[in-house]
Amino acid sequence: IAGITQAPTSQILAAGRRMTLRCTQDMRHNAMYWYRQDLGLGLRLIHYSNTAGTTGKGEVPDGYSVSRANTDDFPLTLASAVPSQTSVYFCATAGGNTGELFFGEGSRLTVL
Amino acid sequence: RKEVEQDPGPFNVPEGATVAFNCTYSNSASQSFFWYRQDCRKEPKLLMSVYSSGNEDGRFTAQLNRASQYISLLIRDSKLSDSATYLCVPSGSARQLTFGSGTQLTVLP
Repeated sequence: IAGITQAPTSQILAAGRRMTLRCTQDMRHNAMYWYRQDLGLGLRLIHYSNTAGTTGKGEVPDGYSVSRANTDDFPLTLASAVPSQTSVYFCATAGGNTGELFFGEGSRLTVL
Repeated sequence: RKEVEQDPGPFNVPEGATVAFNCTYSNSASQSFFWYRQDCRKEPKLLMSVYSSGNEDGRFTAQLNRASQYISLLIRDSKLSDSATYLCVPSGSARQLTFGSGTQLTVLP
């Protein structure tokens, strides 16, 4: 693993199904984030975690949950997917004091 | 007023042109600023950080105007490879990062 890895890269999902997007980092960064990106709306923060064992809600948390059992992993779960959750999801980490974010390659989710 | 506002464009410029984008922000407490570049269907990547009045890196120059609360990105001698969406990000703690919706640039041959 180099950097931050997301899986799956793409998924088509029936409405009502449960889905977990995986995010793993090997950068040993404390902070991790999940964003969704929709056309014309930019990146919006869903949930974040400042350190292992803690999580917080971002701008658009409804319908999503996260966990942070360890430093490396930060999965995002859609308990019952709806079509409005069709989007591109980016996981990111931040380390040090620069504020720079490092992004995964994204997970493209389509909910039908 | 939105926290971060960018002109969405698109900006279509010929190769070799100079182009500038502006970004206005509402949080006067922001201390540092970032420009990210995002290629189509790819993840954003950091282009430039701005911690004081400005920063220059080759063909790219970022200027910060705290009084008017805007930052600009100037690209000189545009290349075809500069075609992308440019995202403006004023920072606080990382969970307070608010991304602009981006400015789309297309450099034409």
